[in-house]
Amino acid sequence: QGQLVQSGAEVKKPGASVKVSCKASGYRLIDQFMDWVRQAPGQGLEWMGRIDPSGGGTSYAQKFQGRFTVTRDTSTSTVYMELSSLRSEDTAVYYCGRVGHDYVHFDNWGQGTLVTVSS
Amino acid sequence: QSVLTQPPSVSAAPGQGVTISCSGSGSNIGQNYVSWYQHVPGTAPKLLIYENNKRPSGIADRISGSKSGTSGTLGITGLQAGDEADYYCGTWDSSLSAYVFGTGTKVTV
Repeated sequence: QGQLVQSGAEVKKPGASVKVSCKASGYRLIDQFMDWVRQAPGQGLEWMGRIDPSGGGTSYAQKFQGRFTVTRDTSTSTVYMELSSLRSEDTAVYYCGRVGHDYVHFDNWGQGTLVTVSS
Repeated sequence: QSVLTQPPSVSAAPGQGVTISCSGSGSNIGQNYVSWYQHVPGTAPKLLIYENNKRPSGIADRISGSKSGTSGTLGITGLQAGDEADYYCGTWDSSLSAYVFGTGTKVTV
């Protein structure tokens, strides 16, 4: 079944960058894509992007192009997301989600990481 | 500005049932499977339905899903207090090359 464990909460100033990790266990990281999804306060779920841990290929939502990067370290079974040029609107809970074999659902989720952007 | 539209809220008494609709278009629901998630803000979302109508192991059979054309529907019968949460549909949008979620529906029991 597997488990995804994310890094802890972060507080950042506007203009800074944040890097959040998602460590996978109980399955092979390279077997399934991993996505990042966020939820801002009072808002719905928002898809940010995807990585194929096998080859490292990525796909990002247009909204985040240029300041969002997803990487992976297969030796530690960890996926990372980095968001730069942070603004207050980026305050949200960020989730990693393991993509199911049909590529259109998430069958496992991390516990979420709160990122607060405040001066 | 989600491309999948859901009713903002639904409510019913304990033991009753509710249905939640998810309206999309030919580039998303019309071409791809629909999935459904239960979410309590600040906690991990939970997969309820995948491939339109399949339940993961551990999901009760009082949860059901269906798809017709460009719309999906989630059904919950025998409502319990623990069902109070936000519910989201989701699928891939082939035109946007992006995963899209519905606007979300708050279920009140």
